[in-house]
Amino acid sequence: DAKTTQPTSMDCAEGRAANLPCNHSTISGNEYVYWYRQIHSQGPQYIIHGLKNNETNEMASLIITEDRKSSTLILPHATLRDTAVYYCIVRGFNTNAGKSTFGDGTTLTVKP
Amino acid sequence: GAVVSQHPSWVICKSGTSVKIECRSLDFQATTMFWYRQFPKQSLMLMATSNEGSKATYEQGVEKDKFLINHASLTLSTLTVTSAHPEDSSFYICSARWFNSGRSQYEQYFGPGTRLTVT
Repeated sequence: DAKTTQPTSMDCAEGRAANLPCNHSTISGNEYVYWYRQIHSQGPQYIIHGLKNNETNEMASLIITEDRKSSTLILPHATLRDTAVYYCIVRGFNTNAGKSTFGDGTTLTVKP
Repeated sequence: GAVVSQHPSWVICKSGTSVKIECRSLDFQATTMFWYRQFPKQSLMLMATSNEGSKATYEQGVEKDKFLINHASLTLSTLTVTSAHPEDSSFYICSARWFNSGRSQYEQYFGPGTRLTVT
């Protein structure tokens, strides 16, 4: 699976959009970008995933650059409950499907 | 989304004893489950892949005789930490893989984790 690089930490004001970047310059053509988050002392929670098109669901939006070497997770209106470690993961769709390799992630702190 | 449970949520045991952690997929069948370990302020590290009805596949550096994995049914995988020592104290997380036929894709769901403290 391709390696990802994320900033160690970010702050965001409550109610504002949180934009979390991820670099995955070695991503291959059949690999998807997945985002999970982990709130303290809990298991990871799935947020969103995509291949090359931008994706949106009830939790977040995912913007993937045209060359697919980077992506941004957008939480449109961050709340205090969004404070967590966010992991960007790249993995194959069916090959090794479900076998996620976690990097260090970004610790997002949402402040009042 | 699909639900994965773990039991117990936390356990304290004495050095030298064995501890069993259960991982269950509550509303779907999981042919494959994964076991992760997470030390404080660190990321999740994959320990092993558990396939129903067959032997688990361990990641490099993980002792298969120390971390026994059994995946006897499509909804249950167990991790037994044998002869536990204080350095085995960690947060153990399982995940289950499910094929969503409606979306034609595999999805991965994580359990809430089990906090193991070895004294």
